[in-house]
Amino acid sequence: EEQLVQSGAEVKKPGESLKISCKGSAYSFTTYWIAWVRQRPGKGLEWMGIIYPGDSDTRYSPSLQGQVTISADKSISTAYLQWSGLKASDTAMYFCARYSQQLGAFDIWGQGAMVTISS
Amino acid sequence: EIVLTQSPGTLSLSPGERATLSCRASQSVSSRYFAWYQQKPGQAPRLLIYGASSRATGIPDRFSGSGSGTDFTLTISRLEPEDFAVYYCQQYGGSPQYTFGQGTKLEIK
Repeated sequence: EEQLVQSGAEVKKPGESLKISCKGSAYSFTTYWIAWVRQRPGKGLEWMGIIYPGDSDTRYSPSLQGQVTISADKSISTAYLQWSGLKASDTAMYFCARYSQQLGAFDIWGQGAMVTISS
Repeated sequence: EIVLTQSPGTLSLSPGERATLSCRASQSVSSRYFAWYQQKPGQAPRLLIYGASSRATGIPDRFSGSGSGTDFTLTISRLEPEDFAVYYCQQYGGSPQYTFGQGTKLEIK
């Protein structure tokens, strides 16, 4: 079964760093874009950025450029989302999602990782 | 930047009824890159419709999508108890920009 499995929930303090992961399995990881989507508590979905693991081509939402870093290690079929200085406003559920160019949609989603930033 | 506006914000219906959800784009979008997702509480979103009108794998035929240009519709012909959830529209507009609508909550009346 094709799937994305994300790392677990995190609780951090403001200013700390964090890197969460998303591991793909049962499909060719290097030939699909992987996106990160934020969902703040009680709110809607917000696209953050996307990476093509085959060559690490990465694009960011203009509103989030510089606030996060997206990367991938194709040798272990894993994509990452990282912060270098967390803020309370980063508290959210973060989903990774596979983008199918054939369908023109996000066809497989990770289970989500809750990130809580609190002093 | 293309903005997707969904209406209504909340839709209250009973099982067996027909649901019609709307998504309007601030400028014309390609149907090829227009999708609908369902999200239940505590779960990840699930792809329902891609290419504006094609059902994703395993999606019941009571779900249908239509529209083009700036106006798109998701219709659920006869609501089942498991259909009560939040629904999002989404488009890819190049640049790249992957925009989501703000969501429509479908609740039991």
